[in-house]
Amino acid sequence: AQKVTQAQTEISVVEKEDVTLDCVYETRDTTYYLFWYKQPPSGELVFLIRRNSFDEQNEISGRYSWNFQKSTSSFNFTITASQVVDSAVYFCALSERGRGSTLGRLYFGRGTQLTVWP
Amino acid sequence: DGGITQSPKYLFRKEGQNVTLSCEQNLNHDAMYWYRQDPGQGLRLIYYSQIVNDFQKGDIAEGYSVSREKKESFPLTVTSAQKNPTAFYLCASSIGPDYGYTFGSGTRLTVV
Repeated sequence: AQKVTQAQTEISVVEKEDVTLDCVYETRDTTYYLFWYKQPPSGELVFLIRRNSFDEQNEISGRYSWNFQKSTSSFNFTITASQVVDSAVYFCALSERGRGSTLGRLYFGRGTQLTVWP
Repeated sequence: DGGITQSPKYLFRKEGQNVTLSCEQNLNHDAMYWYRQDPGQGLRLIYYSQIVNDFQKGDIAEGYSVSREKKESFPLTVTSAQKNPTAFYLCASSIGPDYGYTFGSGTRLTVV
């Protein structure tokens, strides 16, 4: 079973529209971290946000905002007033702090391809 | 500036050849990772290393090999046993997964 599910494979919007990218995760740990990364056409993944499991406050950074809800195991990402430069693949990821070493791995969703049309 | 350098950016391989992808970091990170990306498949973990001279198989290790002789370097060899090696390969490093990863810019491997 996937630990991180991004059900939206592709989303297309027109510039200035708001868009929400969904992320649902699965873990039995009480301590974990969630991430969002952006992958522009150049290919390198760029870190956007990190959130720990004890902090459910929503976060806003410019046109970006994130909604973390433990009750539904979701960590959704909203872009307000989208721009063409937002076109990219966006990945949600989960880090668990549970059994074994504190060093381990991130579990990535399959990504959502966002295309913003002018 | 600190970061991760992957080389080459593009690589062409003939059938039956082994090729090695380079990954170097100067971030002083202990952990390093190799991912493969195919269209629609997301990121799949090939190998990872938490410390020098130690590494673990990821989800799709067959047909690949790695070494970790230095903290800064984690080269990936795509062997002839890898049946479908054409893909985009990403290297990453981390202090620990709680802090996320820093990624390189990737190597696009094509079998010709």
